[in-house]
Amino acid sequence: DAGVIQSPRHEVTEMGQEVTLRCKPISGHDYLFWYRQTMMRGLELLIYFNNNVPIDDSGMPEDRFSAKMPNASFSTLKIQPSEPRDSAVYFCASSQLWGTSGEGNEQFFGPGTRLTVL
Amino acid sequence: SQKIEQNSEALNIQEGKTATLTCNYTNYSPAYLQWYRQDPGRGPVFLLLIRENEKEKRKERLKVTFDTTLKQSLFHITASQPADSATYLCALETGGFKTIFGAGTRLFVKA
Repeated sequence: DAGVIQSPRHEVTEMGQEVTLRCKPISGHDYLFWYRQTMMRGLELLIYFNNNVPIDDSGMPEDRFSAKMPNASFSTLKIQPSEPRDSAVYFCASSQLWGTSGEGNEQFFGPGTRLTVL
Repeated sequence: SQKIEQNSEALNIQEGKTATLTCNYTNYSPAYLQWYRQDPGRGPVFLLLIRENEKEKRKERLKVTFDTTLKQSLFHITASQPADSATYLCALETGGFKTIFGAGTRLFVKA
């Protein structure tokens, strides 16, 4: 398996523009997580899905952020309109119950999308 | 408020020594705790999970302890190598599959 795939790897946009980040989880994983990482706040959970259904979106900073998972192999995180304070690295991670090693909730992270909003 | 604390300063050690990283938490009763490694420009990579009823777990040169009374986990790397240099994150389960990450500790191993 290629692991978790994210695109784009880098995104530079201007304030006010719409940004869409994409994620393909590992096949067979039934949990998908979106995180944001900054120097100031570390790695923050934004939202997570189970079997394509959003379970907890309490970490989504505000209504400008939305996430969807239309099927088991694809998810998007959208920011509209974007602001400079949204600049961060956004990670997608996937997991399955009891994990591949039987440990439970071992999360596999993608390479991240580095977003810069000017 | 709920909080996870890791050594905020970087840890510098000599090759061959044991590195010990600390993770303290308040106001949680996690069913398990995880440790991840993160290299610059990459996503975190899972290392170990320890459950609330386990006091210690080992994997090769790694050892994790979990004291639910002290609300603390210690992460040890024995016989450290320069290749172990990275940021190490602890992560707590806070209900369901929700996980909260600490800020991480940067480890530098000098040859």
